[in-house]
Amino acid sequence: KAGVTQTPRYLIKTRGQQVTLSCSPISGHRSVSWYQQTPGQGLQFLFEYFSETQRNKGNFPGRFSGRQFSNSRSEMNVSTLELGDSALYLCASSGTGPGNTIYFGEGSWLTVV
Amino acid sequence: TQLLEQSPQFLSIQEGENLTVYCNSSSVFSSLQWYRQEPGEGPVLLVTVVTGGEVKKLKRLTFQFGDARKDSSLHITAAQPGDTGLYLCAGGSVSGTYKYIFGTGTRLKVLA
Repeated sequence: KAGVTQTPRYLIKTRGQQVTLSCSPISGHRSVSWYQQTPGQGLQFLFEYFSETQRNKGNFPGRFSGRQFSNSRSEMNVSTLELGDSALYLCASSGTGPGNTIYFGEGSWLTVV
Repeated sequence: TQLLEQSPQFLSIQEGENLTVYCNSSSVFSSLQWYRQEPGEGPVLLVTVVTGGEVKKLKRLTFQFGDARKDSSLHITAAQPGDTGLYLCAGGSVSGTYKYIFGTGTRLKVLA
């Protein structure tokens, strides 16, 4: 079956702009989570959505937001971009229940200039 | 705050050598997963272990989950250049307050 699909793969934005990233989970997966990965901080959890509701949230400012649609597809938005937001943003999907395996997409590379 | 420490942080070895990567925490996890990530790509799942003491083998890779489900190890036998990458462990929540917490990562380079 198809894996987790993220778009766009690469993008460059200017400070102050906003960006929206998209994620299509594996078919049948209802949980979608987002992570930010940087060389200095490693993989940091942003938030998790399940059945269109945010179930868990990491320690990120309110500029980072997300949503999930009825077909389980998810988007994340970052407003008022800062240079420090440059990172690889990873989406992962999993089936129901705690401890289920999560599968990652290839990520969206965001560069803020 | 749950933490998952990996060691070593960096490892550079010659082809054919053996190595072990460790993933340690003071927290109990419902499961533990190991991923390998190559530059510019998302992490790819290698294995999931769920039972304390469980050992799983994947070709030259051996994974073990600690008896108390707080730690794990990844052993690679006769490393090859294709094993080069960032290895990440991830612990699954028992309480449901988070989905997964990721380790700090071990960057492995295998020289031909």
